[in-house]
Amino acid sequence: ETGVTQSPTHLIKTRGQQVTLRCSSQSGHNTVSWYQQALGQGPQFIFQYYREEENGRGNFPPRFSGLQFPNYSSELNVNALELDDSALYLCASSLGGTQYFGPGTRLLVL
Amino acid sequence: AQSVAQPEDQVNVAEGNPLTVKCTYSVSGNPYLFWYVQYPNRGLQFLLKYITGDNLVKGSYGFEAEFNKSQTSFHLKKPSALVSDSALYFCAVRDIGGGYQKVTFGTGTKLQVIP
Repeated sequence: ETGVTQSPTHLIKTRGQQVTLRCSSQSGHNTVSWYQQALGQGPQFIFQYYREEENGRGNFPPRFSGLQFPNYSSELNVNALELDDSALYLCASSLGGTQYFGPGTRLLVL
Repeated sequence: AQSVAQPEDQVNVAEGNPLTVKCTYSVSGNPYLFWYVQYPNRGLQFLLKYITGDNLVKGSYGFEAEFNKSQTSFHLKKPSALVSDSALYFCAVRDIGGGYQKVTFGTGTKLQVIP
């Protein structure tokens, strides 16, 4: 196990709703990244936080937003959910070059 | 822009035989290269990485990977496959010169080890 935890494990929402996913980083890791993994695809980079600041973003719209807290835990918020947002959401914490992933949150949007 | 290609959607190998999962990459500078494994309904588990140094990298569970700069490849290998190795394998790349740790993943290769 990596020491990275995510909650909840599963979530069902309807179109237009908002969702918050949570991630607890491995102890001492000051960088957290979020990825979206659609069924049958590789993970796609959403954004990264370093010491509570967003320092990189992939090709995702502004309705995907995040926070990192002083203890390096993190949240991913998605507003105005769309059907295509259904996916496995992964967070990864890192210190230096290697990212360690949590088990993911599976989101289903109906 | 950085990218990763995994040309095989699925690789089948008999238990006990050597296995290879292929990966090629493209970055503007020098690469960090990674292999991860994903079991059904699970997150990604780190297997190994190449940053610099010896072109043959050894990782977890008996896996190794060979970095080939001229062919821009980073193939994953194991001398003797186990049924428990059956999973989805992802190659990933990060540009060392990048200002942040954006990692780009391939589309994955499903490894099926046949008893």
